[in-house]
Amino acid sequence: DQQVKQNSPSLSVQEGRISILNCDYTNSMFDYFLWYKKYPAEGPTFLISISSIKDKNEDGRFTVFLNKSAKHLSLHIVPSQPGDSAVYFCAAKEKNDMRFGAGTRLTVKP
Amino acid sequence: DTGVSQDPRHKITKRGQNVTFRCDPISEHNRLYWYRQTLGQGPEFLTYFQNEAQLEKSRLLSDRFSAERPKGSFSTLEIQRTEQGDSAMYLCASSLTGLNEKLFFGSGTQLSVL
Repeated sequence: DQQVKQNSPSLSVQEGRISILNCDYTNSMFDYFLWYKKYPAEGPTFLISISSIKDKNEDGRFTVFLNKSAKHLSLHIVPSQPGDSAVYFCAAKEKNDMRFGAGTRLTVKP
Repeated sequence: DTGVSQDPRHKITKRGQNVTFRCDPISEHNRLYWYRQTLGQGPEFLTYFQNEAQLEKSRLLSDRFSAERPKGSFSTLEIQRTEQGDSAMYLCASSLTGLNEKLFFGSGTQLSVL
């Protein structure tokens, strides 16, 4: 049962432009949402999060938007930089159960 | 802060053998998690500890898998009678209760069962 879905396995963006990564979920009981970034041969690292009571959270170049009615989450990176190239995982938490999406590989071209 | 460390980084074993992985969490973190990740998928929850107590286990954790955290510090994950389907990256993560629910992951142990 895939409760967190990232339907785009890959995304390619030009340096300086906006990257938009999307995530959909099915469980309305999720109360916290997170984005992780993963480089090859490393574990995922926390990027940004949002509580279910909010609809936007911003941290520098990274903004996460939450649309609870649509059960949709997105991560905006602006401006995108080549160092942002990585796999991005969306995660959603209900109590102590954290579920991850399959990831989207972002490539930022110079 | 030395981060979460996992040992070994890579393990190749023959089907039917037992393997054991170790995880050292961030020292002040009271929660420790084990996840499994296969190619093209996100991490899948296996089990988690709060201090030394194993509070939750996924149905993915068959009876061939056992995890311990004897003193509430490091943890071990043992897989008995390995099968080819056990080949995956095994990730350990730790967190501190109430710290925005962030998980800090180790670099993982890549298991290959031949």
